[in-house]
Amino acid sequence: DGGITQSPKYLFRKEGQNVTLSCEQNLNHDAMYWYRQDPGQGLRLIYYSQIVNDFQKGDIAEGYSVSREKKESFPLTVTSAQKNPTAFYLCASSDSGGATYNSPLHFGNGTRLTVT
Amino acid sequence: ELKVEQNPLFLSMQEGKNYTIYCNYSTTSDRLYWYRQDPGKSLESLFVLLSNGAVKQEGRLMASLDTKARLSTLHITAAVHDLSATYFCAVDMNFGNEKLTFGTGTRLTIIP
Repeated sequence: DGGITQSPKYLFRKEGQNVTLSCEQNLNHDAMYWYRQDPGQGLRLIYYSQIVNDFQKGDIAEGYSVSREKKESFPLTVTSAQKNPTAFYLCASSDSGGATYNSPLHFGNGTRLTVT
Repeated sequence: ELKVEQNPLFLSMQEGKNYTIYCNYSTTSDRLYWYRQDPGKSLESLFVLLSNGAVKQEGRLMASLDTKARLSTLHITAAVHDLSATYFCAVDMNFGNEKLTFGTGTRLTIIP
């Protein structure tokens, strides 16, 4: 079955360490996204990519970095510069980007990152 | 800057009752989405609303969009316990960009 796989499900890191969250999709979607969710809040966009080798900052990109070397993969690195990294991170994809612009985002199951 | 507000933020209702969740947004948009999230889980797409007056229904949930009022509603009919979840609306103001802005969510609890 097609879908989005995020790993790991839970991640624990010490302050000052960089950490990379994995996101892989086999839906053949062009666009991929990273969102952050804090308790009791909505989702906030970190980065998005509409095509391989190109990505754009979202609303809260500071302290994060991404790459899009392959269509299927969009890893997110949480750097030590991110002041409050503990959160639930959701990766999403969509096949929109042209005529079919109305399809919803498909989300992975998320990675819960705890930094102490 | 696009702002998306949902109300209520928390809703506790008895099984069998009807209720409506509201989603207001601050600037012109041509697309609005509703998602459901169960605790600790990912988001599941419920509805995509693309034009003024659009109405979509699935089971006990019905969503509508009024682009002139910049308002979408999610109506729950004869609530059942399985509908307990957090519901998010999300608005896209950039045609073809899909950079969604999410509301803060409405946590719905259905009491038997």
